[in-house]
Order: sequence, then C-alpha cells, then structure tokens
Amino acid sequence: DAGVTQSPTHLIKTRGQQVTLRCSPKSGHDTVSWYQQALGQGPQFIFQYYEEEERQRGNFPDRFSGHQFPNYSSELNVNALLLGDSALYLCASTRGPLSTDTQYFGPGTRLTVL
Amino acid sequence: AQKVTQAQTEISVVEKEDVTLDCVYETRDTTYYLFWYKQPPSGELVFLIRRNSFDEQNEISGRYSWNFQKSTSSFNFTITASQVVDSAVYFCALTDHNAGNMLTFGGGTRLMVKP
Repeated sequence: DAGVTQSPTHLIKTRGQQVTLRCSPKSGHDTVSWYQQALGQGPQFIFQYYEEEERQRGNFPDRFSGHQFPNYSSELNVNALLLGDSALYLCASTRGPLSTDTQYFGPGTRLTVL
Repeated sequence: AQKVTQAQTEISVVEKEDVTLDCVYETRDTTYYLFWYKQPPSGELVFLIRRNSFDEQNEISGRYSWNFQKSTSSFNFTITASQVVDSAVYFCALTDHNAGNMLTFGGGTRLMVKP
C-alpha cells in the first residue's frame, strides 16, 4: 500500500523565482492538503484540493496556488519567492474534503530561498 | 477559532524514564477530533493516534498511552520506559466539523532521550 509521496525532496531557489512541488496521495485517497512548516514551528494549513478544485484555504497570499489532477495527485506553486517562504512543505491526503478521517503525510519538500 | 497549545518546547530525559507531553486545546465545536503525530529528523509526520470528542476513554498502545480530559481540554501523551528511538518532535493537532479536515497544530515538543 503506497503512502503519500512528494517530489522533490530538496529545492534551492532565489528570491523572485517560481517553484512547483508535487504530491501523490495515499492509495484510496482523493483529497490532498498542503501545509507549510517553518523551522521550529508546527505545520500551517495552506489549502485543500478535492475534485480538482480548491475547497479550503488558510491565511496564505495568492502567490500560493495549486492544482489537482484527475488521478488525485496535486501540485503546489509558489510565485515571486520570498526569503520567508523557506520551509518544509508537507502534503497530506485523506478521503473526502469534509472527512475527519486521519490525514496521512508525505516526507515533505524542503525549500530554501536564497 | 481553534487553538492548540503545547507549552513544553523541549524535554530531555534519560533512557527508561517515563515522560508526559502536554497538549491543551480550544474549540467552540462540540464535535472535534484530536491527533498526535511524531516527526523524526527525516521530517515526515507519522500518525500516532486519533480521538473524537465523544470518546474519553484513555488508550494504551505498547509503551504509549493517552489521557483525554474534556473537563480541562487536555489530551496528554505519555511514553513509558522511553528509548533513544523515541527522540523526535511530537505534535498535537485538532480539527472539528466546521474546519472540515483542516488540522490546527500546536507548536510541537522536542523530546530528546539520552542513553
């Protein structure tokens, strides 16, 4: 049973650039959420995708956008990168957008913005 | 609004000691769900337990146990006879029906178990 996978594992970008992170959900899951975890802090919810639409959004600017594909995989895009965007980006999957079932997390993508 | 507080930012124990990680939560909903996750140095959040607000029965899983008390809005996690492999950051998280499955996390507690 494949768990949540994310790519790449590490990424280094410079200010002003754009980045795309990828996530494949756990088998049987159709809902993907993205979280940002700054160093020494707990994860913060960015947004959630279900049926290829953004269903919920946390307190993040429009520079953060996403997409979900018919196979339920998802992308997180960040435009005009800032130094403060350096963080571990975690993807989580579950069944259904309103489900309170357990969310399972991937290994994360560590983004460094120089 | 939801809030999760983990007052202990860092705990250091010697192997075989028992340790309790505290978690206090706030929510206006009467139906909510609490979680504990473990984050080893690799970074992946590993699911440990999920409890709903209607089930206050404490749970034990091997060396792990959880004490859920609605009266004090707490969901504490105890590791008995700690081992070096328990060293990690532990997060308590909360969601409720209004939040869908958006998780609100505490700041985490870094546990260091020394041999």
